[in-house]
Amino acid sequence: SQKIEQNSEALNIQEGKTATLTCNYTNYSPAYLQWYRQDPGRGPVFLLLIRENEKEKRKERLKVTFDTTLKQSLFHITASQPADSATYLCALVGDSSYKLIFGSGTRLLVRP
Amino acid sequence: GAVVSQHPSRVICKSGTSVKIECRSLDFQATTMFWYRQFPKQSLMLMATSNEGSKATYEQGVEKDKFLINHASLTLSTLTVTSAHPEDSSFYICSAPPPRGASYEQYFGPGTRLTVT
Repeated sequence: SQKIEQNSEALNIQEGKTATLTCNYTNYSPAYLQWYRQDPGRGPVFLLLIRENEKEKRKERLKVTFDTTLKQSLFHITASQPADSATYLCALVGDSSYKLIFGSGTRLLVRP
Repeated sequence: GAVVSQHPSRVICKSGTSVKIECRSLDFQATTMFWYRQFPKQSLMLMATSNEGSKATYEQGVEKDKFLINHASLTLSTLTVTSAHPEDSSFYICSAPPPRGASYEQYFGPGTRLTVT
């Protein structure tokens, strides 16, 4: 069955460092991969989308890579700030348009 | 950007009663909306796809008679949890794709926290 894995342990880093989060998937060949931010008690907020034919995508301090051979995406936040503290979810498009399958998310804590 | 709202944000109900949750697209029309459920420290699980003017499509294992979905207009979908039980307590979130979207990101509502006592 299709499976998406994110590190369930919280990532705790110092302000100013680069945070790197990992998303691995199996039994799946997605055309897109997306990253969302979710704050406690709130709905997810879309951050970035990367297509299968793109190796890397950037948006301000965010960078996403997509390796379809390794079946892995890495999500980087450079010059991290305490305001970046949240849970980050990766999501793959399901077998039909717009249906998303989410990973369990990784909680990021940025210490001042 | 596109905005999706949900109402209520929190609801507490007694076991056996029904609860209705509304999902609205505020500044765009959404022929399709999605309903998710999220338990504490777990990911979002897709429950069903709400289609304007037709029946909803439910994911495997989701009881359609328990979770009634009505997509009566291009800006409103409702989820009714019928005969709610404590195990239905969860965070319910709806989403909609952006209008005329060329890609597949979703706009999510702020969520509804349901507590069944």
